[in-house]
Amino acid sequence: GENVEQHPSTLSVQEGDSAVIKCTYSDSASNYFPWYKQELGKGPQLIIDIRSNVGEKKDQRIAVTLNKTAKHFSLHITETQPEDSAVYFCAASEHNDMRFGAGTRLTVKP
Amino acid sequence: GAVVSQHPSRVICKSGTSVKIECRSLDFQATTMFWYRQFPKQSLMLMATSNEGSKATYEQGVEKDKFLINHASLTLSTLTVTSAHPEDSSFYICSARGPSGAASSYNEQFFGPGTRLTVL
Repeated sequence: GENVEQHPSTLSVQEGDSAVIKCTYSDSASNYFPWYKQELGKGPQLIIDIRSNVGEKKDQRIAVTLNKTAKHFSLHITETQPEDSAVYFCAASEHNDMRFGAGTRLTVKP
Repeated sequence: GAVVSQHPSRVICKSGTSVKIECRSLDFQATTMFWYRQFPKQSLMLMATSNEGSKATYEQGVEKDKFLINHASLTLSTLTVTSAHPEDSSFYICSARGPSGAASSYNEQFFGPGTRLTVL
């Protein structure tokens, strides 16, 4: 089955700096790669996703890149703000089977 | 966007009792719903996948007789934790995926807000 690894487990940045979170996956059949933001005591919220036929996608301050050959994808947050502080999860999916990374706790210091 | 609700948001029960958690897709029909469990500071662990009108598919190690799942309609799935024990205390989260359309192009899953279960 799919195995997703996520790094780093914690990340602390200064407000205004960029944050990068990286994930690798094992199943070459995976074709959908979402990123979720989870705030304390709440369910995960989809913030951006990318399909296997696309190499990069951007939405305002958030971007995701995918390297299918190397089987890794990354989340980039620019101009970070304190409200970006949360736990971020990557996931890899092929139809019904979605597997999550272990999560990255991002702290943005004002 | 697609909205998924869960009820209750928080429940405390005594050991040995059963607890039912509801998951509803509010603005789309969900042919498939997923139930996850999350321990503090850990990732989401898939417990089971339920398809409307059929039996749920459980992940390895998840007891189907303890975690009863019913997906009787296209907008509602329920998870019943039977004979709950303190080790069942956790954050339970559902997600929903519908037929192709606004809520589910590709494999998108939309998550509920979660239910915090505490078993005393």
